[in-house]
Amino acid sequence: ETGVTQTPRHLVMGMTNKKSLKCEQHLGHNAMYWYKQSAKKPLELMFVYSLEERVENNSVPSRFSPECPNSSHLFLHLHTLQPEDSALYLCASSQEGTVYNEQFFGPGTRLTVL
Amino acid sequence: GDSVTQMEGPVTLSEEAFLTINCTYTATGYPSLFWYVQYPGEGLQLLLKATKADDKGSNKGFEATYRKETTSFHLEKGSVQVSDSAVYFCALQREGSYIPTFGRGTSLIVHP
Repeated sequence: ETGVTQTPRHLVMGMTNKKSLKCEQHLGHNAMYWYKQSAKKPLELMFVYSLEERVENNSVPSRFSPECPNSSHLFLHLHTLQPEDSALYLCASSQEGTVYNEQFFGPGTRLTVL
Repeated sequence: GDSVTQMEGPVTLSEEAFLTINCTYTATGYPSLFWYVQYPGEGLQLLLKATKADDKGSNKGFEATYRKETTSFHLEKGSVQVSDSAVYFCALQREGSYIPTFGRGTSLIVHP
């Protein structure tokens, strides 16, 4: 595997379910990100883990819970979601401290909440 | 705070037409500037970048010049192809920060 991978690619869940999204980066980066991309809305940064420190967007509901066990893996735990949470969830990684520090994105998980 | 403003889309062009997508930014200091592209069904990928004033980023026939005096980073391509149909995002990142600021994205549709 190369780059940033995300699983599953598609997920359909009911509002009472609990599920997790997984992201893995194979680039040796030290920062990982979760973004939410909804139709007709700007890209929304949800969480950042940099050198294992967490930064979060205070507007993200508590039904989203991130976990970063090491610098290569990132999870997004989902519980009691709402239909408006249906979106494309993108994971990204970058190397903090470099001049460019560009983001490398995974293909995303398309989430549908029924 | 930092912000990035892009022209609203969709931009609809015929194949081989000239493309310009405007991007202006607000930020303190000298941020790095980026254009990302998102093809249908995929995540974003870096298209080009520039780190200082008057730098020109280029890739796959696309170009953008970092203009400090007008705080702009407009994306251009001389002759678009159907395969360029995608959503284009302008972004900035301040020096020493690992959190980028993205524009809202501009959809490009190229017809044969």
